[in-house]
Amino acid sequence: GEDVEQSLFLSVREGDSSVINCTYTDSSSTYLYWYKQEPGAGLQLLTYIFSNMDMKQDQRLTVLLNKKDKHLSLRIADTQTGDSAIYFCAEITPRSGGYQKVTFGTGTKLQVIP
Amino acid sequence: KAGVTQTPRYLIKTRGQQVTLSCSPISGHRSVSWYQQTPGQGLQFLFEYFSETQRNKGNFPGRFSGRQFSNSRSEMNVSTLELGDSALYLCASSAPGRSSYEQYFGPGTRLTVT
Repeated sequence: GEDVEQSLFLSVREGDSSVINCTYTDSSSTYLYWYKQEPGAGLQLLTYIFSNMDMKQDQRLTVLLNKKDKHLSLRIADTQTGDSAIYFCAEITPRSGGYQKVTFGTGTKLQVIP
Repeated sequence: KAGVTQTPRYLIKTRGQQVTLSCSPISGHRSVSWYQQTPGQGLQFLFEYFSETQRNKGNFPGRFSGRQFSNSRSEMNVSTLELGDSALYLCASSAPGRSSYEQYFGPGTRLTVT
């Protein structure tokens, strides 16, 4: 199908690690992104990974990419209450004419329990 | 550098009316994309403008239209509003020539149709 799938909800305790998963659709995707959306706000770009990479680390964030299974994950180390938000993955796929198609996942709501 | 701004932030309209939303991208960004976000459908791509030309379009009816001005500011118009058009409308800008296609989102316009 064309949906980029994520689990709807994740609850973790403050200080633990969070792992948010995403299954994307198009093996020709060039970049995969993670965005964060806090209540009443737009989307904030957190990090992205190029499709020829397996892993990218950026401070508390680690992105893992399994191209064979079209599986992307975002690990947040030492999760804080300020990390409570909805997290979206997104895939970028090239289209004819040099354009890009952006498809967002369904979003995962992360709840951090103090 | 100022972020992406959207006006108005909140809007209430009645069925059958039309509405125009505005988006000012980050200075230097020439691409502006529009998205509709609803609880049921998630983030849906509407269209993308680059250098005053629509270069990408999602699967929305013709009631949804847009344009981009020479200063890269963009407007989105919805005619003959329906109850189902109630949503958060997000715009995002990106820099030209960036193959990573990083998008920066505005805070959105919350449209309520009664």
